[in-house]
Amino acid sequence: GEDVEQSLFLSVREGDSSVINCTYTDSSSTYLYWYKQEPGAGLQLLTYIFSNMDMKQDQRLTVLLNKKDKHLSLRIADTQTGDSAIYFCAELGSSASKIIFGSGTRLSIRP
Amino acid sequence: NAGVMQNPRHLVRRRGQEARLRCSPMKGHSHVYWYRQLPEEGLKFMVYLQKENIIDESGMPKERFSAEFPKEGPSILRIQQVVRGDSAAYFCASSPNRLSDGYNSPLHFGNGTRLTVT
Repeated sequence: GEDVEQSLFLSVREGDSSVINCTYTDSSSTYLYWYKQEPGAGLQLLTYIFSNMDMKQDQRLTVLLNKKDKHLSLRIADTQTGDSAIYFCAELGSSASKIIFGSGTRLSIRP
Repeated sequence: NAGVMQNPRHLVRRRGQEARLRCSPMKGHSHVYWYRQLPEEGLKFMVYLQKENIIDESGMPKERFSAEFPKEGPSILRIQQVVRGDSAAYFCASSPNRLSDGYNSPLHFGNGTRLTVT
């Protein structure tokens, strides 16, 4: 089946790096995504990685993919208060007709 | 280019009433997806529609829920005889092409309709 799991909460100090982890079950996933949800809003696509890649960097964001372990991570460098949000890991399911989301990790920033 | 528009933003219904949620996709997008987010949970896929056709409804409850995306007008998610357990945020997303086209076809989300059943 298709399932995506991630921890529910993460708290980091402002200026530190945040690392949000995710595991998925569908080994045939072609695309994996990170979305950000701010309070009262919809989801915003942050970045994505194709399954034949190990790493993708985009400014402060680094995505690492371990396909063998079906593990995806998102690193946010120099975390700022504006990064407070819920971060969703997601995969394009094997049917390629829908994106499957994890439960989201709520990132909070300590001063 | 306006984003995905959902209305109403908030909807309150009494048990047994009907709820109609509307979604206008981004201009040029012919693929629409509906997701439900229960409090403190992630998004659960409900249905995928492409103009006038339901492509994947594997996440739709078998009863009381229906969706359509007519040739003209917005996509509608309809919930008949609502119950308290239907209280949730319902998100619509659209894409220009099939998701399998990859980053050329990202999902764009609306801000959701928050349904409260009293």
